[in-house]
Amino acid sequence: QITLKESGPTLVKPTQTLTLTCTFSGFSLSTSGVSVGWIRQPPGKALEWLALIYWNDDKRYSPSLTSRLTITKDTSKNQVVLTMTNMDPVDTGTYYCAHKKWLGTFDYWGQGTLVTVSS
Amino acid sequence: DIQMTQSPSSLSASVGDRVTITCRANQDIRHYLAWYQQNPGKVPKLLIYAASTLQSGVPSRFSGSGSGTDFTLTISSLQPEDVATYYCQKYNSAPLTFGGGTKVQI
Repeated sequence: QITLKESGPTLVKPTQTLTLTCTFSGFSLSTSGVSVGWIRQPPGKALEWLALIYWNDDKRYSPSLTSRLTITKDTSKNQVVLTMTNMDPVDTGTYYCAHKKWLGTFDYWGQGTLVTVSS
Repeated sequence: DIQMTQSPSSLSASVGDRVTITCRANQDIRHYLAWYQQNPGKVPKLLIYAASTLQSGVPSRFSGSGSGTDFTLTISSLQPEDVATYYCQKYNSAPLTFGGGTKVQI
């Protein structure tokens, strides 16, 4: 059974760096073809894909946010970490992590974590 | 980058109606198109992948079609539990862009 759970601060101040952790079970990020991605959703708005990390440590980022994002993995801990620098109130929203298999899409999602950016 | 455009942005229909949502890519994405359902206040749920393959456990009233640039999600007989926002997503290569969503109401 695949499960994912996001954790991190619920409130960050503008200009601060956000660090979110996705802790998962039921699969290994060392298995060929597996990847984990991050998706966010501002209140009342659409889903936005942010980043993806593959089993082989290859990484992909949203072109509009690439300068602010870093995604890493700790295979031994079954965790993926996303950092986003220079947070702004427009970055407020629910952040999800999700499992993706090779040539597939996001089939398992975490419950999401709401991050508010405010001074 | 490839843009994904959904239409309509919202619709209202009656229980039992046939509902169709369209998603258009501005470049060929072959069959690498997924549909998600997000019920109010809930986590997105994968409905369809590879444009037309139903995810396990999804009711058969949902179906998908299309390839290349034009795709369709159809609900053959709308049910009250189908009230949700539906998103398409391309996943052939990064960026894994989502459409803007279609809100379905009864």
